[in-house]
Parts: sequence; structure tokens; C-alpha cells
Amino acid sequence: GQQVMQIPQYQHVQEGEDFTTYCNSSTTLSNIQWYKQRPGGHPVFLIQLVKSGEVKKQKRLTFQFGEAKKNSSLHITATQTTDVGTYFCAGPRTSYDKVIFGPGTSLSVIP
Amino acid sequence: NAGVTQTPKFRILKIGQSMTLQCAQDMNHNYMYWYRQDPGMGLKLIYYSVGAGITDKGEVPNGYNVSRSTTEDFPLRLELAAPSQTSVYFCASSYSSRDRETQYFGPGTRLLVL
Repeated sequence: GQQVMQIPQYQHVQEGEDFTTYCNSSTTLSNIQWYKQRPGGHPVFLIQLVKSGEVKKQKRLTFQFGEAKKNSSLHITATQTTDVGTYFCAGPRTSYDKVIFGPGTSLSVIP
Repeated sequence: NAGVTQTPKFRILKIGQSMTLQCAQDMNHNYMYWYRQDPGMGLKLIYYSVGAGITDKGEVPNGYNVSRSTTEDFPLRLELAAPSQTSVYFCASSYSSRDRETQYFGPGTRLLVL
């Protein structure tokens, strides 16, 4: 079945450093979604990418969807303590499939 | 809109007890989901529903049951609680239209089975 993987599993950075997490699917995805979960909280939707090679930015966050629509990345520039949390990617094979979540990347930011 | 609401927030069960986790959404979403999240782990899909009267199994359905009698409600039933079911349970809902599958999550129910 479809599998979604993320690396790294954990990342500790000094405040102000950049951070990148990578998401890889075993199958082509219809779209890719990114969610953030703060410690003790629930996942919150960040963004959705649909087109091959698509790049979207949200302030210090840059999201990219691979050309083959099998991988994606999230890059945070100049991390802040408010960026702490676990970042999940998720996506369906087709628009009518259920979404499969990756295991997440946990980000710690050292002030 | 309240979004997705879940009750209770926290519950302790003894082995063999049963309980129902409640989930409701007021966004008129057709799709609803139940996930469990073990400590430090990702989300595993238990059951999902694409509309009232329609439910289907996810990755880890054993030990759980669901029903979807209305668009708004999607309760999850644990019949014989086991320690392996200690987890945080999230309910989510989404639009049903093509390419708009963003999921909105409830605050979660923390379940401890002793």
C-alpha cells in the first residue's frame, strides 16, 4: 500500500538557523498537504500543493512539491521558538483516496 | 462555527470497559475521520466516512466501531478496552469536493486504559 515517509524524525536547531524537512511517498500523489502540531495540541492545516513543481511561501515557510509529485519539502528560514512542533505531510494517491499521513518531523528550537 | 468538537477531553478506562468518543462538526463536511496518535508517533487512521450512512475501515480498525447516522456526528465506540488502546484520539473532517481535502481536526480525546 501507499507509504509516506519523512526525514528527519527529529531536528534540534538554534534559534535563527534554517530548518528543512523532507517528505517522500511511495506512490504519486494527487496533492500534498502540510500540517503543524504544537506540543499537546492537534494538527493544524498549513498549506496544500496541487501542481507538479509548485512552490508556495508563507512568510518564513517555503513549501515545494516535486516534479514527479512523489516528494515535497518544507523549509523554514530563521527559525523562531514559535516554530516548535511536529510537521506532518499528508496526501492521497488520487483526489478520491483517503489521505495518508507521514510520521512527522519534530522540531525543537533552542533560544 | 465551532468547527470540530470532541468529548470527553480525557478519560481513564479499566480493561474490558467500553466507551464512546463523541465527535461533531458544524461545517457541513461530508468526510469525517478518526485517528489515533501514540506518544511521539504519527497519525494512524482508524475509520472514516464519506457521508451519512457510509463508513469504511482505515489502517487500524480492530477493537473499534463507528456509525454515521447524521452528517454532523461521527462517534467512535470502544467495546472492550485494552491497554494497547491508550492513545490520543483525533477526529477530523474535510470538504468532499475534488482537490479540496484539507482536514480540520478536533482538540483530541486522551484515553488511558489501565
